Amino acid sequence: DIQMTQSPSSLSASIGDRVTITCRASQSLNNYLNWYQQKPGKAPELLIFGATSLQSGVPSRFSGSGSETDFTLTISGLQPEDFATYYCQQSHRTPYTFGQGTRLDVK
Amino acid sequence: QVQLVQSGAEVKKPGASVKVSCKASGYTFTNHDINWVRQATGQGLEWVGWMSPHSGHTGSAQKFQGRVTFTRDTSITTAYMDLSGLTSDDTAVYYCTRSLGGTYDDDAFDVWGQGTIVTVST
Repeated sequence: DIQMTQSPSSLSASIGDRVTITCRASQSLNNYLNWYQQKPGKAPELLIFGATSLQSGVPSRFSGSGSETDFTLTISGLQPEDFATYYCQQSHRTPYTFGQGTRLDVK
Repeated sequence: QVQLVQSGAEVKKPGASVKVSCKASGYTFTNHDINWVRQATGQGLEWVGWMSPHSGHTGSAQKFQGRVTFTRDTSITTAYMDLSGLTSDDTAVYYCTRSLGGTYDDDAFDVWGQGTIVTVST
């Protein structure tokens, strides 16, 4: 199975900050790396797919980068609605696996 | 609009089975795979398995093999997950989710159901 390691596991930031979350895979993903946002009591929502493609309807302050095994989610200019938990996930090979999550809260 | 609507909460005893349904609407049901993901309280996301509504082909994570069955009824655009031999470790929210698929050739999960809480307790 492909192991996904996210860092940090938690992060405190302020409105307007630029934040970065990283995700490392145990093997090359051929860019099949996705990012999700989850708010308490809600289903996850897809933000980024294919490492860099912004899902329709997602604000442009979210961006993804990286390749092979190392990937990054960047939020440029944090908004109040961005405080949530973020997960990376690989869709390169089953079993599809998720990172352990990064909880982003208000500083 | 495109949506997945799941069946309601379930409470089961250890050793029992549970069947969760996932009704799709707003798109061509057979054009996108359905995956199932679960989340225990306060924990992360865990992929359970997938099914092609078109072919009926399925697959699951090794830990669930022999215990989980995925089926569908294309006439009512509904997918099902049946999990047997329940233990307290199976207590979680179960989500059905659609694979992006199509021209993107990517199984990213672009549409999610609202989740079904399954509680296993004596």
